[in-house]
Amino acid sequence: EIVMTQSPATLSVSPGERVTLSCRASQSITSSLAWYQQRPGQAPKLLIYGASIRATGVPARFSGSGSGTEFTLTINSLQSEDFALYYCQQYNNWPPLTFGGGTKVEIK
Amino acid sequence: EVQLLESGGGLVQPGGSLRLSCSASGFSFSNYIMTWVRQAPGKGLEWVSSISGSGLSRYYADSVKARFTISRDNSKNTMYLQLKSLRADDTAVYFCARLGRRPSEGWFNGWGQGTLVSVSS
Repeated sequence: EIVMTQSPATLSVSPGERVTLSCRASQSITSSLAWYQQRPGQAPKLLIYGASIRATGVPARFSGSGSGTEFTLTINSLQSEDFALYYCQQYNNWPPLTFGGGTKVEIK
Repeated sequence: EVQLLESGGGLVQPGGSLRLSCSASGFSFSNYIMTWVRQAPGKGLEWVSSISGSGLSRYYADSVKARFTISRDNSKNTMYLQLKSLRADDTAVYFCARLGRRPSEGWFNGWGQGTLVSVSS
C-alpha cells in the first residue's frame, strides 16, 4: 500500500498570502496525484489531477506541481473561501486508493 | 452536471447490517467506476470500495473485506453498499464518488453529500 504523508497538519495564514502545501508518497506514483478541498460539513471537491491539471471551474490561483514522490499544492492570494481542509490522493497503484492525512488552512 | 445522492444511513447496533444507496444522474452511469469513501468524525478520508462500470470487478479495503459488499444496477443508475457485522469503528459519513472510465483515471470527479452511519449500542 502506498502511504501518503501531508505536511504541515495546519497552516495559519492571512488572506491574500500565498501558501504551499506538501504531499509525499512512500514510493513513486509518477504524476498520478489529485488534490481535493473540503469545507466544513461539505463533500470534498476535486481541485487538481495528474499532479498539475486544474479541474473544470477551479480558479487559476490553485496550482499543483511535482512528480515521483514529492508534490505541492500552491494557492496564490488566499481568499476567504479557501480556508478549508486539503487532501492529496494517489491513484498510480490501486487498490487501495490512498489519501494523505490532510492539511488544514486556517485564518491567522 | 454530475449528481450523486446517498441514502440509507442511520444508527445501528454493533454486529448489525445496513444498506446504502447512491443514485446517480447527469452522466452515463454504466461507463464509470463508482466508489464509496468514508470519513470518521473529525478524521480524514478513507477509500472503502470500488466497482467497475460493468459491475464485474469489485475492490475492497482490507478493513471492510468480507463484511461489506458493493454492487450496482445500471438500469437504475444506482450503486449500493451492503454493510454487515458493523463495528464502532465503521462509524463515519459514507460518500458516494465517481472515478473515471478506466482505472488510470483514478481521481474523484463528483461526490455525493454523504450519509452518516453510526454504530453504537
